[in-house]
Amino acid sequence: QVQVVESGGGVVQPGRSLRLSCAASGFTFSSFDMHWVRQAPGKGLEWVAVIWYDGSNKYYEDSVKGRFTISRDNSKNTLYLQVNSLRAEDTAVYYCARGGPIVGAIGYWGQGTLVTVSS
Amino acid sequence: EIVMTQSPATLSVSPGERATLSCRASQSVSSNLAWYQQKPGQAPRLLIYGASTRATGIPARFSGSGSGTEFTLTISSLQSEDFAIYYCQQYNNWPPLTFGGGTKVEIK
Repeated sequence: QVQVVESGGGVVQPGRSLRLSCAASGFTFSSFDMHWVRQAPGKGLEWVAVIWYDGSNKYYEDSVKGRFTISRDNSKNTLYLQVNSLRAEDTAVYYCARGGPIVGAIGYWGQGTLVTVSS
Repeated sequence: EIVMTQSPATLSVSPGERATLSCRASQSVSSNLAWYQQKPGQAPRLLIYGASTRATGIPARFSGSGSGTEFTLTISSLQSEDFAIYYCQQYNNWPPLTFGGGTKVEIK
């Protein structure tokens, strides 16, 4: 079955960096766009970034542009999110999610990894 | 950026009753609208895409309707497992993908 499992979250000081990973299985990873979506504690969903199935295009939410970098390794079925210059407002559960069944919809979500930015 | 607004913020419904949730877009999104369900401590789950197409494995009691700027998610007869937060999301004009603020369906 489709599975995406995030890792790499933790407590980090403001201004520091972290790399989130997402291991995918149960589907042909290289055929699907992949997203990161975050959810601050007690808040709603906020889309963060997407990477095309072949890595050819990447798009970001405005508040993370220049600080976050999405990437993928299709040979390892793994999605990444490099998060730099972290701010308190980046504190959230970060979900890795598979696009589909139509472009723009998000068909499968991981359980998320919590990033807490605090001094 | 397209702003999605959901109402009401909280909906109190008795089991077996019908629930009607609304989602409004700040400009037309055609039928490029999805609905998600999120239970406490869990990841969201796709319910509906294309405004009215149920995702794989979603029970028929969930239905979506609307186009343009006004959308509705209807749960025909609420089951205990349906009490959750529901989000709408547009994918007509993106990036960014944008979500509504959510409607919490709680037991009356």
